[in-house]
Amino acid sequence: SQQGEEDPQALSIQEGENATMNCSYKTSINNLQWYRQNSGRGLVHLILIRSNEREKHSGRLRVTLDTSKKSSSLLITASRAADTASYFCEIPQGGSQGNLIFGKGTKLSVKP
Amino acid sequence: NAGVTQTPKFRVLKTGQSMTLLCAQDMNHEYMYWYRQDPGMGLRLIHYSVGEGTTAKGEVPDGYNVSRLKKQNFLLGLESAAPSQTSVYFCASSYGSGTEAFFGQGTRLTVV
Repeated sequence: SQQGEEDPQALSIQEGENATMNCSYKTSINNLQWYRQNSGRGLVHLILIRSNEREKHSGRLRVTLDTSKKSSSLLITASRAADTASYFCEIPQGGSQGNLIFGKGTKLSVKP
Repeated sequence: NAGVTQTPKFRVLKTGQSMTLLCAQDMNHEYMYWYRQDPGMGLRLIHYSVGEGTTAKGEVPDGYNVSRLKKQNFLLGLESAAPSQTSVYFCASSYGSGTEAFFGQGTRLTVV
C-alpha cells in the first residue's frame, strides 16, 4: 500500500491569494482524491481525478495530475478565510484492498 | 439521511477501563474505517472492514479490536485503555476502494 505525501506541510497566505499544495506518490494509480479537514472535524471529500485526466475543476478548486512525475497539485484560487483547513490527498489502494491511507496533509492558513 | 454517526462524541476514561465506540452509516456502504488523529498529525488507520463480518488491521491496530456484525455498524473497542490512546477518533465509510469516503464528526477520548 502507499500513501500520498503532501507538500508543503504548512502554508500561510493572505485572503485573495492563490494557494497551491502538492501530493507525490510512488507507484502507478487509478485515481487520486483530495480531502479537506476543518479544525477538529471529519474529512470532507473535495475532488477525485482519474489517471487518464490531467486537470479537473470544481468551483475555485483546480486539481492537476502528472502521472509521469507521480504528482498531483491542488490549487485554490482567490482564497478566503474559510479555506483555512488541512488538505490531504488519498491514493486508493485498488483491487480488494480496503485500507484508506492519508499522509500528514498540508495545513493552510488564510489570513483576512 | 444522517450519513456517518459516531457515538459518543466525548468520553473520559480511567486507565484500565474498557469502552466501545460505535460508528453507524445509513448509506449502505461496504467499506468502513476507524482512524485516530493526534495533535498536529494526520489520520492513522486503526482497523477497517470491506464488508459485513470482515475486519482487517490498519497502520496502528495494537490495543484496539473491532467488529462488523451488521453492515451499517462498525464498533471499535478498547479493552484496557491507556493514556497513549488519548486521541480524536474518526470513523468513515465508502462504497469501495477509490470512491468518496464520508466521515463522522469524531469522538474525543481522554484516558487519565
